[in-house]
Amino acid sequence: SQQGEEDPQALSIQEGENATMNCSYKTSINNLQWYRQNSGRGLVHLILIRSNEREKHSGRLRVTLDTSKKSSSLLITASRAADTASYFCATLASSYKLIFGSGTRLLVRP
Amino acid sequence: DTEVTQTPKHLVMGMTNKKSLKCEQHMGHRAMYWYKQKAKKPPELMFVYSYEKLSINESVPSRFSPECPNSSLLNLHLHALQPEDSALYLCASSQVTGSGGSISYEQYFGPGTRLTVT
Repeated sequence: SQQGEEDPQALSIQEGENATMNCSYKTSINNLQWYRQNSGRGLVHLILIRSNEREKHSGRLRVTLDTSKKSSSLLITASRAADTASYFCATLASSYKLIFGSGTRLLVRP
Repeated sequence: DTEVTQTPKHLVMGMTNKKSLKCEQHMGHRAMYWYKQKAKKPPELMFVYSYEKLSINESVPSRFSPECPNSSLLNLHLHALQPEDSALYLCASSQVTGSGGSISYEQYFGPGTRLTVT
């Protein structure tokens, strides 16, 4: 079964608005990663947050991690049409084995 | 060079065909991966190679046969596939920690091969 579940499954916003996606996972983790996938393409790594970190920023991205609730969120600020993609959280089930959440499909309308 | 390349981009094959997918990276990564992704689903791990040795096989049917000829190349040989095997096949690579495993490292993905089995 999937390690992470994400919500919402789909999100449609206007350009310039913020987008927030949430991820929940089941077991203890060393770190949690977020990836973006443009339609039918490969995944691109966005950000990695370690289990001893609570918040991390990268450009317009802000990720939070709450290990007590086994949850993480990804915030994209001032969204652009180019941010339209699917976003996946991912955790390591064991050495090498990355398990992806169900994903959030984000549509940013111009 | 932070690119993972995959060929071909698209592949259509019959159920009796034999074909191969190819993946290449020149980042010096010693772990390489094959994933399968169905539409609107997350990628699912199939195989992991570490230092050119098969480390993980996620109970993948034998009609899929991976091969790692050297540290830069990864192949996936396909034979007698079924229509339900139609999917996007993604290759990825990552660094490996000194004690093995990729606990702290992100994975770099190729653009994928869109496979259709007729």
